Amino acid sequence: AQTVTQSQPEMSVQEAETVTLSCTYDTSESDYYLFWYKQPPSRQMILVIRQEAYKQQNATENRFSVNFQKAAKSFSLKISDSQLGDAAMYFCAYRRLRDNYGQNFVFGPGTRLSVLP
Amino acid sequence: EAGVVQSPRYKIIEKKQPVAFWCNPISGHNTLYWYLQNLGQGPELLIRYENEEAVDDSQLPKDRFSAERLKGVDSTLKIQPAELGDSAVYLCASSSGGQGIYTQYFGPGTRLTVL
Repeated sequence: AQTVTQSQPEMSVQEAETVTLSCTYDTSESDYYLFWYKQPPSRQMILVIRQEAYKQQNATENRFSVNFQKAAKSFSLKISDSQLGDAAMYFCAYRRLRDNYGQNFVFGPGTRLSVLP
Repeated sequence: EAGVVQSPRYKIIEKKQPVAFWCNPISGHNTLYWYLQNLGQGPELLIRYENEEAVDDSQLPKDRFSAERLKGVDSTLKIQPAELGDSAVYLCASSSGGQGIYTQYFGPGTRLTVL
């Protein structure tokens, strides 16, 4: 079974600085998707960034980028120029790509990010 | 495009009472998920639907939980009777394989408090 590990329960960053959140996963599959989701306090979970495992290029979305190391099964999220609105729980998630149907997502335990003014 | 809609947003009930949650997925999304999320933890899958078929309900406590997705669109999750340990946020999500993209979109969740 696939597992997702986030070894940092809590992180903090100074406003305007850069922070990296770690995620590792375990799978025997070769094709899959990886995701980072953000869940602000008492608010809806939203997608931050997505990476297809077959793509060597790291995904980037504005201030958010990932460092995808397939051989190491590592998928870290870098937030540049941190803003107060980035404060949230961040969840790393894995989804295998076996066929065209929906598959179960496996979520990590989350990292709580605080942004200090 | 409207997002995933859930109701109610909050529910407080006495233990042993029944409760139901409703979810309307994004239009065109065939896959629907119900998750349970305890405070400070990641979502845990309860059940996954492909259209109207429950394809994975292995984590659903079937002695007290039930779900349905009639006509393959809206879904209802029910707990009867509720226990104190059921207090959590219940998340609904949907996804589609359109364009090979399987991103999951979440609703705002229903926060259940069992007294």
